[in-house]
Amino acid sequence: RKEVEQDPGPFNVPEGATVAFNCTYSNSASQSFFWYRQDCRKEPKLLMSVYSSGNEDGRFTAQLNRASQYISLLIRDSKLSDSATYLCVVFPTSGGSYIPTFGRGTSLIVHP
Amino acid sequence: EPEVTQTPSHQVTQMGQEVILRCVPISNHLYFYWYRQILGQKVEFLVSFYNNEISEKSEIFDDQFSVERPDGSNFTLKIRSTKLEDSAMYFCASSGDRANTGELFFGEGSRLTVL
Repeated sequence: RKEVEQDPGPFNVPEGATVAFNCTYSNSASQSFFWYRQDCRKEPKLLMSVYSSGNEDGRFTAQLNRASQYISLLIRDSKLSDSATYLCVVFPTSGGSYIPTFGRGTSLIVHP
Repeated sequence: EPEVTQTPSHQVTQMGQEVILRCVPISNHLYFYWYRQILGQKVEFLVSFYNNEISEKSEIFDDQFSVERPDGSNFTLKIRSTKLEDSAMYFCASSGDRANTGELFFGEGSRLTVL
């Protein structure tokens, strides 16, 4: 099983739609979770951290399910500008590495 | 807003040549990283650096790679003898804390093309 796994998509949704992405991780001892956003040929940028109790930032909601070892990102009222790749970041991964490990990302395309 | 800067933005080189990619992390940050991303693939960890030494490295970071912090501001990645498969975007990142407590700040990347 891959350390951090994401459905690559693409998710193709109309403006205003609600879309959700999941990310699974293999190490039950993982402590820290993040969602990053990456625009085409640009650097990743932090979108939000994921806290145990779940957290919300405007139209974005992140949740953690430790029992099933996944995190999720919900985007409400999608905008054209939300089109990007969303990267799940987890650590530590197996072996106790203190390096953030990236999933391969889920591509979102929001169309008019 | 402080930022991580990388040079060059794009470098084209012949196979077998040495390449040095440069990064200036955010000035009060303590942890430095190099990641790479082959076109269409995931962001892969290469090496982390703390307190003037490598703290972790991946299997990708073999003897062809080295890192240095020569002058307290620059953080460089050297590829000694480039291969075709080294063609990728190389991202430098820094963080003020161990990355489990905070954000990784990435530079805009250096695109390396090996011919």
